[in-house]
Amino acid sequence: DQQVKQNSPSLSVQEGRISILNCDYTNSMFDYFLWYKKYPAEGPTFLISISSIKDKNEDGRFTVFLNKSAKHLSLHIVPSQPGDSAVYFCAASNAGNMLTFGGGTRLMVKP
Amino acid sequence: DTEVTQTPKHLVMGMTNKKSLKCEQHMGHRAMYWYKQKAKKPPELMFVYSYEKLSINESVPSRFSPECPNSSLLNLHLHALQPEDSALYLCASSPEQDRGGYGYTFGSGTRLTVV
Repeated sequence: DQQVKQNSPSLSVQEGRISILNCDYTNSMFDYFLWYKKYPAEGPTFLISISSIKDKNEDGRFTVFLNKSAKHLSLHIVPSQPGDSAVYFCAASNAGNMLTFGGGTRLMVKP
Repeated sequence: DTEVTQTPKHLVMGMTNKKSLKCEQHMGHRAMYWYKQKAKKPPELMFVYSYEKLSINESVPSRFSPECPNSSLLNLHLHALQPEDSALYLCASSPEQDRGGYGYTFGSGTRLTVV
């Protein structure tokens, strides 16, 4: 049973536009949520996180929104750049700091 | 130094071979992790070490044997692997294991092919 789901395996966006990546979770015990970016043949790189006590966290072009009642979070990238093309993993953790990853979404930003 | 270094980057081994994957970090992190990632799948946790002690073993077959010689090093010893064990093996570290919210720092991984 997947506790963290990314229902869109891929997303294509024009350069300069907004990219919105979505993630749903089922475990109400999760209290931290993280986004990782992964290029081919590299390990995942931490992007941004959000605590369950917040509903928004912003870092430059990246903003993560959390809707606890819907058990849904999203990552917004504005403006999208070709270098943002990668696989994005949503992950969730609880007090034990064990990360549970979603299946990933491949983002392609077209020039 | 804010990196996790994994060696080798690529490894091809036969089913009767014995090999080891190595992972090193100098960030003072006290938790280290081994993950396995198959193509187009998310990373799956294999082992967790906390303060150099094995904390979690996610029912991994005994042909995978982890070792944490000191707080900076994590090894994964491989023996009698199967072709289906071919995957990207990722090492990660975090400041602590038992406090939520710390992101992991991942290494670049070892691409393992079992022939």
